[in-house]
Amino acid sequence: DAKTTQPNSMESNEEEPVHLPCNHSTISGTDYIHWYRQLPSQGPEYVIHGLTSNVNNRMASLAIAEDRKSSTLILHRATLRDAAVYYCILRIQGAQKLVFGQGTRLTINP
Amino acid sequence: EADIYQTPRYLVIGTGKKITLECSQTMGHDKMYWYQQDPGMELHLIHYSYGVNSTEKGDLSSESTVSRIRTEHFPLTLESARPSHTSQYLCASSEGLAGYEQYFGPGTRLTVT
Repeated sequence: DAKTTQPNSMESNEEEPVHLPCNHSTISGTDYIHWYRQLPSQGPEYVIHGLTSNVNNRMASLAIAEDRKSSTLILHRATLRDAAVYYCILRIQGAQKLVFGQGTRLTINP
Repeated sequence: EADIYQTPRYLVIGTGKKITLECSQTMGHDKMYWYQQDPGMELHLIHYSYGVNSTEKGDLSSESTVSRIRTEHFPLTLESARPSHTSQYLCASSEGLAGYEQYFGPGTRLTVT
């Protein structure tokens, strides 16, 4: 499985945008980039995924570099409820398994 | 809203006991998964199933076993619990065809004394 590298922790302020980076230099052409987050004392929840183009949904935006070796999860206006561990995961096309790394622990200051 | 349930949410049990962690989903998903997560650590896949009567071991070796007799039910069993089994166990499911989103249950926090 291709690996991802994320900062261990990040901190931001409420109502400000947050950019969570992920490096995946060994990504292959058929790997999808997935983001999940895990709130305290809960199971992970899906945030967003993409292949080549940038993606937007109600939760976040995903910006994918042109060479696909990195991506950024963007929370446009962070709230206290966005404090969680965010996981960047590569999933091979057609594969169902997810391989979780350490993720980035995001702290939101009021 | 995901409809995947795990019981119990918390379990404290003595060494040597047999335990079964329950996981049920009402979404009709073909694929189901069990992950193990120690506090502050990453999730590791220990079992998965792609349908009824189909089970496979995951990336992390586990002494637990699973069964999939019904689509909606994917229980995990430990025949003889040990303190090394103390962890959080998370169940997930996803759709069968082009399903890319895994829905997770709230988890069972197991403590073996």
